[in-house]
Amino acid sequence: ETGVTQTPRHLVMGMTNKKSLKCEQHLGHNAMYWYKQSAKKPLELMFVYSLEERVENNSVPSRFSPECPNSSHLFLHLHTLQPEDSALYLCASSQEAAGGPETQYFGPGTRLLVL
Amino acid sequence: AQSVTQPDIHITVSEGASLELRCNYSYGATPYLFWYVQSPGQGLQLLLKYFSGDTLVQGIKGFEAEFKRSQSSFNLRKPSVHWSDAAEYFCAVRNTGGFKTIFGAGTRLFVKA
Repeated sequence: ETGVTQTPRHLVMGMTNKKSLKCEQHLGHNAMYWYKQSAKKPLELMFVYSLEERVENNSVPSRFSPECPNSSHLFLHLHTLQPEDSALYLCASSQEAAGGPETQYFGPGTRLLVL
Repeated sequence: AQSVTQPDIHITVSEGASLELRCNYSYGATPYLFWYVQSPGQGLQLLLKYFSGDTLVQGIKGFEAEFKRSQSSFNLRKPSVHWSDAAEYFCAVRNTGGFKTIFGAGTRLFVKA
């Protein structure tokens, strides 16, 4: 596998379910991101981890819980979601350095439908 | 607060015609600017980026963009569009001191034969 992979690619869940999204990067990067992409809305940054520590948390509801066990893996744990949480969830990674922000590499996303 | 505006929700061009996608940003200092492309069912792919230096930036797939500080713009151009360029294009700005990247709402490009 190369680049950034995400599993599952599609997920349908009920509002009472608990599920997890997984992201894995094979690029040796030190930062990972979760984004939410809803129809007709700009891409929204949810969480950022740098060196496995959370550095950004953009007022995301607590029903979304991120986990970064190591620099290659990022999870998004989901519970008691609402229909409006249906969206494409994108993971990205980058190699951050002192010289300035680097390119973010995106995975293909997980298409989530909450019923 | 930072913001990114892409005035055109969608644009249709003929194959072989030139293309310009508009992007305006709001930021207090010189920002880091990006253009990404997203094909259906795919994640975002970086086309080009501007950090400093030459204000005309060359990217992949024959795209270029020009940073104009006086107009707070970073428009994307391509001299001759191919059918495979049909996709959604996102302009983005990132602050110089953190990790937060703000994306525009996107412009969907349609290419007609």
